[in-house]
Amino acid sequence: NAGVMQNPRHLVRRRGQEARLRCSPMKGHSHVYWYRQLPEEGLKFMVYLQKENIIDESGMPKERFSAEFPKEGPSILRIQQVVRGDSAAYFCASSPSQGLETQYFGPGTRLLVL
Amino acid sequence: RKEVEQDPGPFNVPEGATVAFNCTYSNSASQSFFWYRQDCRKEPKLLMSVYSSGNEDGRFTAQLNRASQYISLLIRDSKLSDSATYLCVVGGGRSGGYQKVTFGIGTKLQVIP
Repeated sequence: NAGVMQNPRHLVRRRGQEARLRCSPMKGHSHVYWYRQLPEEGLKFMVYLQKENIIDESGMPKERFSAEFPKEGPSILRIQQVVRGDSAAYFCASSPSQGLETQYFGPGTRLLVL
Repeated sequence: RKEVEQDPGPFNVPEGATVAFNCTYSNSASQSFFWYRQDCRKEPKLLMSVYSSGNEDGRFTAQLNRASQYISLLIRDSKLSDSATYLCVVGGGRSGGYQKVTFGIGTKLQVIP
């Protein structure tokens, strides 16, 4: 049973470009969470999704960031017009049900904006 | 007040020492508690769940004090491989119709030879 998969593992973008981060949850998990970790800081919740639904996006910046979890395929975190402050590690986690269940993390995508 | 508070450290301890971390949470309706471990530039991994009765896993002991709203992690006989950041995680307390999980900033442990 493969764990949570994220790709790419490293992503370099220039300011103004778009970044697309992908997350495939563990088999049997239908709940996906995205977190951002800035250097030397803790994990910050961004968004919680179930298949085809955004449940909680209270941690998402109001502009340039969006997330989806389609019926088929991985969850996508999309950052438009990236700025240097978007450079961070973005972790995806999945769980079999919501909230209280243990969340299993993917290896993360490290985004560097030049 | 933050929802989950931890001392970021770092805690520098010699091999073989016993070290304890505390974590406080603000939501008295919280229902589940975990400790995760995060190695440098890696993803967080579940270390152990924390139960009301306390629980032990080898050299690691976790306890919950609901009255004072804190959880603790005790590591006995520290090993060099225990060097990592330990994240306190608290779940529960409905927000927007579901029970939310909140991560603390983490406490950094460095075990010194």
